[in-house]
Amino acid sequence: QQQVKQSPQSLIVQKGGISIINCAYENTAFDYFPWYQQFPGKGPALLIAIRPDVSEKKEGRFTISFNKSAKQFSLHIMDSQPGDSATYFCAASVSGGYQKVTFGTGTKLQVIP
Amino acid sequence: NAGVMQNPRHLVRRRGQEARLRCSPMKGHSHVYWYRQLPEEGLKFMVYLQKENIIDESGMPKERFSAEFPKEGPSILRIQQVVRGDSAAYFCASSPGLGRSTDTQYFGPGTRLTVL
Repeated sequence: QQQVKQSPQSLIVQKGGISIINCAYENTAFDYFPWYQQFPGKGPALLIAIRPDVSEKKEGRFTISFNKSAKQFSLHIMDSQPGDSATYFCAASVSGGYQKVTFGTGTKLQVIP
Repeated sequence: NAGVMQNPRHLVRRRGQEARLRCSPMKGHSHVYWYRQLPEEGLKFMVYLQKENIIDESGMPKERFSAEFPKEGPSILRIQQVVRGDSAAYFCASSPGLGRSTDTQYFGPGTRLTVL
């Protein structure tokens, strides 16, 4: 199975709060897990990515947590800001020469002041 | 350094017409990917091309859709005899082609196709 399941579909968070988006996958061959941020009318932009040999990766206010045994990973946005309001996609791909990315269905995040 | 460019940004076609979507990768990038995004859905891989070669077209419908990336000029995604179900945003991405699965893909702004 090539699916990546993502939840929630939409999320409203107060400014300063923590936004949490969860994803699950089935294909155990996936070994690269990027997150993309997409603003309206724009293409997705790579935000942060992780490989399954680590359980957590942090870049600024963005953290990926990875649970290999459960085949789940999540994005945490600390101190959420209105400028973070966007659609977030988790994704997964298999090593082997090129990156054929399988995307989740997306989470529309709204950070309210 | 200009990013990935796509044109047109918006395209309206009537059923049965042809749609041509163009993608110019970032300078120095030799690998191009096309994705389709239906409303309220994630992006779905369609095709991966290198210069003059289609490497993987497993996500592209067998009929009416074709893609090319010539030696000179942009990559073209062509949809013949469009139907309403083809209405979607089509994104192109490029990567430097270093041969690793972790090559970052840089996405263009997309072409929004509406079929009347």
